[in-house]
Amino acid sequence: EIVLTQSPATLSLSPGERATLSCGSSQSVPYTYLAWYQQKPGLSPRLLIYDASYRATGIPDRFSGSGSGTDFTLTISRLEPEDFAVYYCQQYGSSPSTFGQGTKLEI
Amino acid sequence: DVQLLESGGALVQPGGSLRLSCAASGFVFPDYGMNWLRQAPGKGPEWVSGIGATGSTTYYADSVKGRFTISRDNSRETLYLQMTSLRADDTALYYCAKAPVSRGALAWFDPWGQGTLVTVSS
Repeated sequence: EIVLTQSPATLSLSPGERATLSCGSSQSVPYTYLAWYQQKPGLSPRLLIYDASYRATGIPDRFSGSGSGTDFTLTISRLEPEDFAVYYCQQYGSSPSTFGQGTKLEI
Repeated sequence: DVQLLESGGALVQPGGSLRLSCAASGFVFPDYGMNWLRQAPGKGPEWVSGIGATGSTTYYADSVKGRFTISRDNSRETLYLQMTSLRADDTALYYCAKAPVSRGALAWFDPWGQGTLVTVSS
């Protein structure tokens, strides 16, 4: 199965700064079938990005995704206070679908 | 609004069984694949099982194959997960989630329910 490795494990930034989160894959992700989710404490994951670069409905345009093959990136252009959370990547191009271990974005 | 409401989580002894339910509303349930995922405390999500829109195709993670059974009742707009031979490492918050297409696997998940807690312990 494809193993996703997210880096860094923890990212400490301030509101207004730019955040760059990485997701590396042990094998090329077919069709760039990669998604990003945001999870806040006590809540279920929320879809941000699908197919590597498409924003889900209602997601602000400060969130963007890029990448292909084995290297993917989630960028938050200017951090808002509500963006501090844990972020997960998921690949769904190869069975079984797998998730990364997460990046905690903290103030 | 799409809503998914899980139920059925409980404390169960190792080797025991449990059935989870997920009541769906706000979308045409028979048109979409559905999935179960789980998240152990402090860990990332793990995909557990998926089912196609008609219920004729099912998919399982190796860790649950042969022990868990996914099913759906399209007339009741409800998804199920029958869990048997439960082990301590099955302890997690179990979510149901909607796929964007009719197939039951290899898709992104949106939305997720709020989850139901399964604890396997003696």
